[in-house]
Amino acid sequence: NAGVTQTPKFQVLKTGQSMTLQCAQDMNHEYMSWYRQDPGMGLRLIHYSVGAGITDQGEVPNGYNVSRSTTEDFPLRLLSAAPSQTSVYFCASKTTSTTYEQYFGPGTRLTVT
Amino acid sequence: AQSVSQHNHHVILSEAASLELGCNYSYGGTVNLFWYVQYPGQHLQLLLKYFSGDPLVKGIKGFEAEFIKSKFSFNLRKPSVQWSDTAEYFCAVNPDSWGKLQFGAGTQVVVTP
Repeated sequence: NAGVTQTPKFQVLKTGQSMTLQCAQDMNHEYMSWYRQDPGMGLRLIHYSVGAGITDQGEVPNGYNVSRSTTEDFPLRLLSAAPSQTSVYFCASKTTSTTYEQYFGPGTRLTVT
Repeated sequence: AQSVSQHNHHVILSEAASLELGCNYSYGGTVNLFWYVQYPGQHLQLLLKYFSGDPLVKGIKGFEAEFIKSKFSFNLRKPSVQWSDTAEYFCAVNPDSWGKLQFGAGTQVVVTP
């Protein structure tokens, strides 16, 4: 199993540009989520999905869109990038069983200039 | 507001010293508790987790944590640290039946030779 994979690893955007961060998992996990990591703030939940076709907002959803058309993929779209979205983005997945932990991807480091 | 608090943002200690990192949360009811570690340049890895049962849980690499319900605490400990324990440590709480995690701000631990 590859686990949770994310692409790209690094990205630089100009303000106003749009892009999609890719996330895929091969563990047949129902639950997937996106977090952003900022210094001194830990990780904050952006959006999550409990299955194909079902998504919901987390703590900091503004400026981001998600969709879940398959179990494996959960892309995160930045509609119009802003410097405040400079961060490290992590995707995670788990089964819906409450006794299983989340598995995190390697992260995408995004810089918006 | 419901939150997760980590007491120290930065800890420096020598090899063989003991480590204790504090974590308090403000959620009521049943919660699942986690400690994650992020080594330099790597993604988050699970150190240990508590769902129920024995409040003293043992994780990987010699780490353990104690859940004290009356104090809403889940402190992480290691009797003797090594240089390779240099990392950032995150406490996290899963307050619902899905996978949403609320993270603390993180504690940067530096172990000097």
